[in-house]
Amino acid sequence: AAGVIQSPRHLIKEKRETATLKCYPIPRHDTVYWYQQGPGQDPQFLISFYEKMQSDKGSIPDRFSAQQFSDYHSELNMSSLELGDSALYFCASSVTTSGHTGELFFGEGSRLTVL
Amino acid sequence: AQRVTQPEKLLSVFKGAPVELKCNYSYSGSPELFWYVQYSRQRLQLLLRHISRESIKGFTADLNKGETSFHLKKPFAQEEDSAMYYCALLYNFNKFYFGSGTKLNVKP
Repeated sequence: AAGVIQSPRHLIKEKRETATLKCYPIPRHDTVYWYQQGPGQDPQFLISFYEKMQSDKGSIPDRFSAQQFSDYHSELNMSSLELGDSALYFCASSVTTSGHTGELFFGEGSRLTVL
Repeated sequence: AQRVTQPEKLLSVFKGAPVELKCNYSYSGSPELFWYVQYSRQRLQLLLRHISRESIKGFTADLNKGETSFHLKKPFAQEEDSAMYYCALLYNFNKFYFGSGTKLNVKP
């Protein structure tokens, strides 16, 4: 069965550079979530989208932005990268029915290393 | 405010021993709770959710509204159960709050 696809799987950037992570949700899933998991940390919610509109915002820095496109894939753009941005970035998708979300299906994550 | 607490960072048990991973929540609405598992170098995946009342891989979890708990239990732990376990709360219909996780280490 199709799963959530994230690319790239690994990314190495220098400080102050820009990075873009992509997420392709499971077909027919209309909701996408982004989480950041630092080394030894629990997943921190960044932002979510429902039907291409931002639905919720968590601890996402102002240097980061995200959007969901017409094909429901989502991109997380990170600028002015800092060492502390080094983390595993998970994308998850789900189906929202009558405003209620089912379980989250996670991608394998994109590991960003900032040098 | 909604919150999920997993008091144990690390839980070590021997193979064959019972295991209980604790999860307490606070939420003024009607909670939906999940357990997610993350095996080494793998993605987070759903283990079970309280509304399905299933037993997955021998694990069960019962929602106790009186104690606001959703503890994960397994009578006989296996080495392959070693992983990170996250308790999660679905609130306001489409928002998830994850606990800080418990690392389960099952020793041979």
